[in-house]
Amino acid sequence: NAGVTQTPKFQVLKTGQSMTLQCAQDMNHNSMYWYRQDPGMGLRLIYYSASEGTTDKGEVPNGYNVSRLNKREFSLRLESAAPSQTSVYFCASSPGQAGTYEQYFGPGTRLTVT
Amino acid sequence: EDKVVQSPLSLVVHEGDTVTLNCSYEVTNFRSLLWYKQEKKAPTFLFMLTSSGIEKKSGRLSSILDKKELFSILNITATQTGDSAVYLCAVVGSNYKLTFGKGTLLTVNP
Repeated sequence: NAGVTQTPKFQVLKTGQSMTLQCAQDMNHNSMYWYRQDPGMGLRLIYYSASEGTTDKGEVPNGYNVSRLNKREFSLRLESAAPSQTSVYFCASSPGQAGTYEQYFGPGTRLTVT
Repeated sequence: EDKVVQSPLSLVVHEGDTVTLNCSYEVTNFRSLLWYKQEKKAPTFLFMLTSSGIEKKSGRLSSILDKKELFSILNITATQTGDSAVYLCAVVGSNYKLTFGKGTLLTVNP
């Protein structure tokens, strides 16, 4: 049982390059989330998808786009990377809405933008 | 805007000590408060609290919520080096989104 998987584990980008972070879960969860974690800042919500076919902005959505490809997969795209997007990115999923269910986290993607 | 403040930001103890981590919050239409443990990778779930005064326990860890005073504590008794981690507190309000605190870094020395 893999749980939540993320690819890649590490990535280095130059300013202005684009890339997509992939996330998949095999727990048949309805809700999926993307967070970023910066030193001293805790986890901040970028985007979430309450159910297949819906997405919504979180606390820090600027510079990012998301796609809920199907129930299993939720990708995060950086169209034009900036050094301020250097961070560790975590994907999470939960059976239903936050507040009622715990969230399960993936192992993270460490992204550096030079 | 929802807000979570954790204290202390860091703590160093010796094995066998008991520690108390604090989490205070401001949230619109409180739904739940969650505690996570984060070692060098993904956060792992510890507790979800929704009702005041009901202690949740798992081995040496326990947590309680006070909805009147808007805070929660996480207790760890007889600490072990394996308890060294960042402990994260998060709240969920009317927007169904988790708002995390900055975490408490706990270091347990042998």
